[in-house]
Amino acid sequence: GIQVEQSPPDLILQEGANSTLRCNFSDSVNNLQWFHQNPWGQLINLFYIPSGTKQNGRLSATTVATERYSLLYISSSQTTDSGVYFCAVRGGTSYGKLTFGQGTILTVHP
Amino acid sequence: DTAVSQTPKYLVTQMGNDKSIKCEQNLGHDTMYWYKQDSKKFLKIMFSYNNKELIINETVPNRFSPKSPDKAHLNLHINSLELGDSAVYFCASSQDPVSYNSPLHFGNGTRLTVT
Repeated sequence: GIQVEQSPPDLILQEGANSTLRCNFSDSVNNLQWFHQNPWGQLINLFYIPSGTKQNGRLSATTVATERYSLLYISSSQTTDSGVYFCAVRGGTSYGKLTFGQGTILTVHP
Repeated sequence: DTAVSQTPKYLVTQMGNDKSIKCEQNLGHDTMYWYKQDSKKFLKIMFSYNNKELIINETVPNRFSPKSPDKAHLNLHINSLELGDSAVYFCASSQDPVSYNSPLHFGNGTRLTVT
């Protein structure tokens, strides 16, 4: 099945810093989503982005499907950005199944 | 007006018991899913139903039995609970299982602890 690899596994920032999270995947996809799991365990949909670029406030994401990667940018980070960021993909032949990466644990210090 | 809601939020039970987790979505989606998140935060699909029909059944012990009475509901029943079943279980839904524009929407999770 499709493989999903996220980097870095851990990231520690000071409030106000910018960061880039990366997601590599091993096959063509027709669905790619970025999620934030907050300290309370909720999975928050950040972006649905199988290709192209999207922005939402301080967050933006870019997926280059032909090169099989996606990037999540966080600008002017805040302590509330802390948590785990997951990339999840559905391969072209994966009927319904979303495969998750192992996540990036982000800690933002005040 | 929660889109995907699951109950209970927390479930603490003893080994050997049988328990159920319920999930409901009000998004009008055709497809629903159960995912399991282990202690290392890894999320993996367990089951998926499309229009009440089972379409994904990953390698899950047969003590786990999903049931979909209608498109808006997908419940998970677990028999003879074991310590290793302790995890967070997430329900999700999407418009369908294959379309390009069909993102998944997740519930808030049920934290199951087996003692």
